[in-house]
Amino acid sequence: GAVVSQHPSRVICKSGTSVKIECRSLDFQATTMFWYRQFPKKSLMLMATSNEGSKATYEQGVEKDKFLINHASLTLSTLTVTSAHPEDSSFYICSAIGTGGANEQFFGPGTRLTVL
Amino acid sequence: DAKTTQPPSMDCAEGRAANLPCNHSTISGNEYVYWYRQIHSQGPQYIIHGLKNNETNEMASLIITEDRKSSTLILPHATLRDTAVYYCIVRVEGGADGLTFGKGTHLIIQP
Repeated sequence: GAVVSQHPSRVICKSGTSVKIECRSLDFQATTMFWYRQFPKKSLMLMATSNEGSKATYEQGVEKDKFLINHASLTLSTLTVTSAHPEDSSFYICSAIGTGGANEQFFGPGTRLTVL
Repeated sequence: DAKTTQPPSMDCAEGRAANLPCNHSTISGNEYVYWYRQIHSQGPQYIIHGLKNNETNEMASLIITEDRKSSTLILPHATLRDTAVYYCIVRVEGGADGLTFGKGTHLIIQP
């Protein structure tokens, strides 16, 4: 099956710093990738949709200047949390749609961000 | 996407069949029923999906009622590794939108 990886799996940073999270499709090309956020004991919430070569589309309430998304190739999307604060601490998960007809979504393993 | 309703939690004995219900009374004619699960601190995993016919794969079976207003995911021989949150999602097959996750069902497999 299709594999999506994320790096890093865990990151701890100081308040005010920026953190970059990578999402890679390892064995397929992903025209569209998604970023989700999950707080403890809560469900996944879609943050943004990332299409290769174009600007990301953000869900209502997600600050585009704070969560920078770049999808420069068909196998890589990055999420940068700028000027991170403790309330940004969360589990960030990406998913990717393959180029096959079913448009099935494949999820990465997630990145645990802790902002001190 | 249509809204779904699932019980918040269920227990099942190891080795028994786990039957997870989902109500989706407002499902549209072109919407499929998808099931994903999320093991603690991991990304969601696709399980199965279907339109109106029952479906089976190596992981599970999906039973959809004739009126399509509800469905049941069946794990035929549950193991401890099946303990997870199971999400039922209805959406158009092949849609390029992000998924809307409800609260899901926390399935706990008891030894």
